[in-house]
Amino acid sequence: KQEVTQIPAALSVPEGENLVLNCSFTDSAIYNLQWFRQDPGKGLTSLLLIQSSQREQTSGRLNASLDKSSGRSTLYIAASQPGDSATYLCAALTGANSKLTFGKGITLSVRP
Amino acid sequence: DGGITQSPKYLFRKEGQNVTLSCEQNLNHDAMYWYRQDPGQGLRLIYYSQIVNDFQKGDIAEGYSVSREKKESFPLTVTSAQKNPTAFYLCASRWGNTEAFFGQGTRLTVV
Repeated sequence: KQEVTQIPAALSVPEGENLVLNCSFTDSAIYNLQWFRQDPGKGLTSLLLIQSSQREQTSGRLNASLDKSSGRSTLYIAASQPGDSATYLCAALTGANSKLTFGKGITLSVRP
Repeated sequence: DGGITQSPKYLFRKEGQNVTLSCEQNLNHDAMYWYRQDPGQGLRLIYYSQIVNDFQKGDIAEGYSVSREKKESFPLTVTSAQKNPTAFYLCASRWGNTEAFFGQGTRLTVV
């Protein structure tokens, strides 16, 4: 059974810092890994998708990497801003039935 | 506009009552998912469906039921057997092994 872990549960940084959010998964036979952002009381917004054959994806100030062999993915946020404050979740797509399994998320606070 | 629509946004349920949450997508996606989100618990999978007329139980299916009669619709019924239904419910859809998209959620409260 796939298990996805995100540590720490919360993170507070000053504005302007570059930061890395970690995601680990136990079953390396994934189809893809996806990073999402969730604002309080809202649904999930997709940030980046990395297919199993890819090593990284970039969108603006965001860069996500994937290392299947070690069961890890990281989301790099450059020059963080207060507007980046949200919960960031990663999800792994695994198995014949294409089950999407989530970590518990990292709540990020960027202080002005 | 293409996307996933969940309704209602807020729902109140009396003790012993069944309620149905709607999820509709016009993205022509084959796969659809229902998740439950509680504070500090992350997203837990209730049911998912890969094709019409077929669905599988997720990790916390007890007390819930679904149907998939049409590709674009995947309603979730919270039955009276679900003893602690107060939560935020999220629906998602996906095509193949591509990006999953989510609706804006339904907040269910027992009164």
